[in-house]
Amino acid sequence: GAGVSQTPSNKVTEKGKYVELRCDPISGHTALYWYRQSLGQGPEFLIYFQGTGAADDSGLPNDRFFAVRPEGSVSTLKIQRTERGDSAVYLCASSLAASDSPLHFGNGTRLTVT
Amino acid sequence: GEDVEQSLFLSVREGDSSVINCTYTDSSSTYLYWYKQEPGAGLQLLTYIFSNMDMKQDQRLTVLLNKKDKHLSLRIADTQTGDSAIYFCAESINTGRRALTFGSGTRLQVQP
Repeated sequence: GAGVSQTPSNKVTEKGKYVELRCDPISGHTALYWYRQSLGQGPEFLIYFQGTGAADDSGLPNDRFFAVRPEGSVSTLKIQRTERGDSAVYLCASSLAASDSPLHFGNGTRLTVT
Repeated sequence: GEDVEQSLFLSVREGDSSVINCTYTDSSSTYLYWYKQEPGAGLQLLTYIFSNMDMKQDQRLTVLLNKKDKHLSLRIADTQTGDSAIYFCAESINTGRRALTFGSGTRLQVQP
């Protein structure tokens, strides 16, 4: 079946601009996660949704970052006033609700801030 | 606190076994995972083990968990060139947080 889909696959933007990154989870997965992966590092947690609500947003680095999931399916990660340090691969993952359900990742969006 | 560490690089010959090691610090880890990442791709779940298990085998993959030493390993039997990738160890902790903490990854290079 279809996996986690992320669009765009690549995004280049200028410093100070606003960007939106989209994630389509696996159908039926109620849990959705955003991670950020910098070059040579493992993914770092940003935010976790259970249904429509953000159950844990403790990984968001500052208030320029925001994510929504209005209908409990597709999610959008929004970054305002982008900075060069925001350049990274942003990964989305989804899972079933159960705590032992493994995460399934998309291929990520590579964000480059010039 | 949570911290997961892995060695950076491993090189093996095709047909040999590979062993990738990981240490973690949080004794309340409930599940430990191994993910594979190929260039330009997302993370592919390989296998995972519940913290009350010592070993799990799945075809060419064997996971060993030493909970006392907080040490996890992934053994790949008969390593193939297609196994060349970065392998990430990750832990989850039984809290409402449900976030995984990842290591920095081990790059496996398989020489033909």
